[in-house]
Amino acid sequence: SYVLTQPPSVSVAPGQTATITCGGDKIGTISVHWYQQKPGQAPVLVVYGDSDRPSGIPERFSGSNYGNTATLTISRVEAGDEADYYCQVWDTFSGQVFGGGTKLTAL
Amino acid sequence: QLQLQESGPGLLKPSETLSLTCTVSGGSVSRSTYYWGWVRQPPGKGLEWIGIIYYNGGSTNYNTSLKSRVSMSVDTSNNQFSLTLSSVSAADTAVYFCASVAATGRYFDFWGQGTLVTVSS
Repeated sequence: SYVLTQPPSVSVAPGQTATITCGGDKIGTISVHWYQQKPGQAPVLVVYGDSDRPSGIPERFSGSNYGNTATLTISRVEAGDEADYYCQVWDTFSGQVFGGGTKLTAL
Repeated sequence: QLQLQESGPGLLKPSETLSLTCTVSGGSVSRSTYYWGWVRQPPGKGLEWIGIIYYNGGSTNYNTSLKSRVSMSVDTSNNQFSLTLSSVSAADTAVYFCASVAATGRYFDFWGQGTLVTVSS
């Protein structure tokens, strides 16, 4: 089955840039989607199709995908960005696959 | 935009069958541009995909680890879709989310608030 690997945690000072990675075999050949989940809430789609943003998601959220790593970048991090972030792909054999999640902390 | 709401029992005993319904508003479950899906999250853990079903019920795809116990259906007359998980155990204790899945891209774009299902004797 297809496996997505994320770092358990990322810390960044407010105002700085956070980078959250999602590793997978040849992940650059498939579309990657990213979700933000705050405690006690449902996940929210923040990036789809590698780098597109749904309506209402700030431009500070951006994504890229190449080779074996997809990346979610959050510029000018705010306290309100603290959350768990999950990457997700659709794999022909495994179906929907989620990464293990990354906890973003704004120091 | 779509709004989804899960409903169903919050407490089950081991070996019982879990049945959840997701009611969709703001759009029709018969939209050909959507699949409908279920995701769960055990307490303190990450997201686990359960399965998806196409709007006409003719196509389903389930997580292989749950496939033998899972069934999904669509009720177009009530604008709902449902999940059934048989022979539950404590390992099935989780918050269960329903969500819309874009047919192109297969991403979960709208989510229900989630419902906690606890399996305990």
